[in-house]
Amino acid sequence: DGGITQSPKYLFRKEGQNVTLSCEQNLNHDAMYWYRQDPGQGLRLIYYSQIVNDFQKGDIAEGYSVSREKKESFPLTVTSAQKNPTAFYLCASSPYQGSNQPQHFGDGTRLSIL
Amino acid sequence: QKEVEQNSGPLSVPEGAIASLNCTYSDRGSQSFFWYRQYSGKSPELIMFIYSNGDKEDGRFTAQLNKASQYVSLLIRDSQPSDSATYLCAVNVNKLVFGAGTILRVKS
Repeated sequence: DGGITQSPKYLFRKEGQNVTLSCEQNLNHDAMYWYRQDPGQGLRLIYYSQIVNDFQKGDIAEGYSVSREKKESFPLTVTSAQKNPTAFYLCASSPYQGSNQPQHFGDGTRLSIL
Repeated sequence: QKEVEQNSGPLSVPEGAIASLNCTYSDRGSQSFFWYRQYSGKSPELIMFIYSNGDKEDGRFTAQLNKASQYVSLLIRDSQPSDSATYLCAVNVNKLVFGAGTILRVKS
């Protein structure tokens, strides 16, 4: 089945630790996105990528980093500089980054601080 | 002013009734509008999108867009308990901007 796979489902971070969230898609989509969702709030864009080896900062990129070495993969690293990392992280993709392109989401990763 | 605003709810409707969810947006240049359903603890699921003024129907769902008044609505006919979820409105302004969502509760 085609879709977006995020792993792990739950992740715990220790003080001063970097952690990486995986996002893989087999939809042959060019564009991929990372969002953060806090309780009672809408999704906020962290980073997005329109094509391999290219990515742009979203609204809340500080404390996060990404890479896009393959079309299928867009991992997100939450660095120790992100002081409030506890949230629900969602990866999405769309055929390309255009105004009429709906985005489809993976199942998400819940990150908590130990 | 928030870019995309939704009433947080909860909106409670009896089973079989019509649920009406509303969303307003601030950028007149917005071109495309999306409704997502999010069950508690799950990721958002796309249910409707609309690009042109007027209504768009898909089964029990109707999206309504009024660009002059800068609002988009989602009507759910014959509401079922399984429709109970948070509904997120998203507007594309060079990027997708999400509202905080409206909680819908359908009571049997």
